[in-house]
Amino acid sequence: GENVEQHPSTLSVQEGDSAVIKCTYSDSASNYFPWYKQELGKGPQLIIDIRSNVGEKKDQRIAVTLNKTAKHFSLHITETQPEDSAVYFCAATRNSGYALNFGKGTSLLVTP
Amino acid sequence: GAVVSQHPSRVICKSGTSVKIECRSLDFQATTMFWYRQFPKQSLMLMATSNEGSKATYEQGVEKDKFLINHASLTLSTLTVTSAHPEDSSFYICSARATGVWGNTIYFGEGSWLTVV
Repeated sequence: GENVEQHPSTLSVQEGDSAVIKCTYSDSASNYFPWYKQELGKGPQLIIDIRSNVGEKKDQRIAVTLNKTAKHFSLHITETQPEDSAVYFCAATRNSGYALNFGKGTSLLVTP
Repeated sequence: GAVVSQHPSRVICKSGTSVKIECRSLDFQATTMFWYRQFPKQSLMLMATSNEGSKATYEQGVEKDKFLINHASLTLSTLTVTSAHPEDSSFYICSARATGVWGNTIYFGEGSWLTVV
């Protein structure tokens, strides 16, 4: 199947610093790229998404960038807080439908 | 955002029995829902696409006779794990595509923990 690669697998930052998570995808038909935050024992929570006709999107402390030519997209979290600590997954749609291929996840730890 | 509800959140069943998990879209209609499985400390893997009024589409390696999917209405899809075995113990999560005011976005349920003993 088509792959989504996600890096890093773990990320530790000090409170107030920025965190960046990067993903690449291989399916040229992918046109929707959501990011999810998953806390232990819970389902994934959508935090931001971007579509293929947009290069950047921002929502308060969270931003996502997309380079469709290079097939990579990134999540940027600024002014991190301890409650941002969780596992973050990037995803890309498959075959222009709405099933998702997920990255392997990034465990983000924000220390006070 | 839109709400996708799963029930039960946790279930324990005996080996050899069947268990049903429900996925409901609470404030929108979903012609298509998706079922994923997630093992501890791993990513989500798509099991099948649930289509309202028609047969589900299963991913390679997923047994359709073991994981029965029914999508009888625009707000409900069910996953039945038949003849469950301990290796079926996992976190099962559904998602649905919300359109209209939700902007064509994919939302996930809270997941269902299945433990087979």
